[in-house]
Amino acid sequence: KNQVEQSPQSLIILEGKNCTLQCNYTVSPFSNLRWYKQDTGRGPVSLTIMTFSENTKSNGRYTATLDADTKQSSLHITASQLSDSASYICVVSARGGADGLTFGKGTHLIIQP
Amino acid sequence: DAGITQSPRHKVTETGTPVTLRCHQTENHRYMYWYRQDPGHGLRLIHYSYGVKDTDKGEVSDGYSVSRSKTEDFLLTLESATSSQTSVYFCAINQAGAEETQYFGPGTRLLVL
Repeated sequence: KNQVEQSPQSLIILEGKNCTLQCNYTVSPFSNLRWYKQDTGRGPVSLTIMTFSENTKSNGRYTATLDADTKQSSLHITASQLSDSASYICVVSARGGADGLTFGKGTHLIIQP
Repeated sequence: DAGITQSPRHKVTETGTPVTLRCHQTENHRYMYWYRQDPGHGLRLIHYSYGVKDTDKGEVSDGYSVSRSKTEDFLLTLESATSSQTSVYFCAINQAGAEETQYFGPGTRLLVL
């Protein structure tokens, strides 16, 4: 069964600090991996998408990495801001089929001033 | 918000009553999806559509039906609502299916008493 596991479940850091969120997956055949940001009370918004051949992708202060051999990804947030407080969801797509997405449960990040 | 609206945004209903949620897009995207999001679970696919009158079941389709009579509208119906269907429902769209980034609507919060 395809699975996506995220850690930690929740995280609290001080404003200005860096943090790294983890995503491990067992999805086959792999197509791509995405990170979404979900603010409280809103729908998820895409941050990055990486295919098998990409091992890093940045979007401003967000940098995602992918190790397709170990089936791990990380999302690094640099110089955190209060607006980074949100849930971050890792989503892995399997090749073929319109319904081939497996969602992680998310990491709830709180940035404290 | 990628031209996606959901209505209603909030609804309280009683067990046994029918409920219809509407997703409307202005992007002319081919694919539309309905997900539910519950604490302790990742987003779970209910139904999706790959064109007008073309729909298929997702992971948690029992108790739900859908219809798509126009490209821009995708309706989710709970024929007889149950308390287990209390959830936040998200619509998503994209052009090319599961291997492409999805754009999510703002969500509908449904409470079944």
